[in-house]
Amino acid sequence: EIVLTQSPGTLSLSPGERATLSCRASQSVSNNFLAWYQHKPGQTPRLFIFGASHRATDFPDRFSGSGSGTDFTLTISRLEPEDFAVYYCQQYGSAPYTFGQGTKLEIK
Amino acid sequence: EVQLLESGGGLVQPGGSLRLSCAASGFTFTDHAMSWVRQSPGKGLEWVSGISATGANIYYAESVKGRFTISRDNSKNTLYLQMDSPRAEDTAVYHCATSNAGRVYACDIWGQGTKVTVSS
Repeated sequence: EIVLTQSPGTLSLSPGERATLSCRASQSVSNNFLAWYQHKPGQTPRLFIFGASHRATDFPDRFSGSGSGTDFTLTISRLEPEDFAVYYCQQYGSAPYTFGQGTKLEIK
Repeated sequence: EVQLLESGGGLVQPGGSLRLSCAASGFTFTDHAMSWVRQSPGKGLEWVSGISATGANIYYAESVKGRFTISRDNSKNTLYLQMDSPRAEDTAVYHCATSNAGRVYACDIWGQGTKVTVSS
């Protein structure tokens, strides 16, 4: 089983700042099948990055994903108020298709 | 409209059993692998189980292997999760999920979830 470790657990930033979230895998993610989800209270999670670096077309371009193998990064270039949420990574390359434990992005 | 609607949640005693259902509509169910994902109170997302489009391939998280059984009825566009011998730590909201973009076992589409409480 691939264990995904996200860091930090909580990230406190202000609107306009840059956010960098990490997702590290215990073994290489097959085909870089790594997704990022945004989860807001009362809503279902929303997939917005797939294949490690491909952004969903209806998601803002201030969000970008990078990385390969075992180290992946989500960057939000300039935080907007609506970006504060919990972010999860998931590998869908090999079963079981595990999630990371999440990073809570909160307003400082 | 693409829709997933879970049902069957509720209160179950430890060691009991419960069957969750997920009714799919708005897409060709028989073309899509499906997953169950849960979120326990105050915790993160946990992928629980997945089943291929035909049902030929089935996968489980280690935490539920041997206790939960995933299945699907493609004639009814319905996904199931049979929960046997549940434990307190299985208390969670259970979502069914799928991808409509070819990202097998990624979760582009989610149901709203059904709440399961395991308690005596």
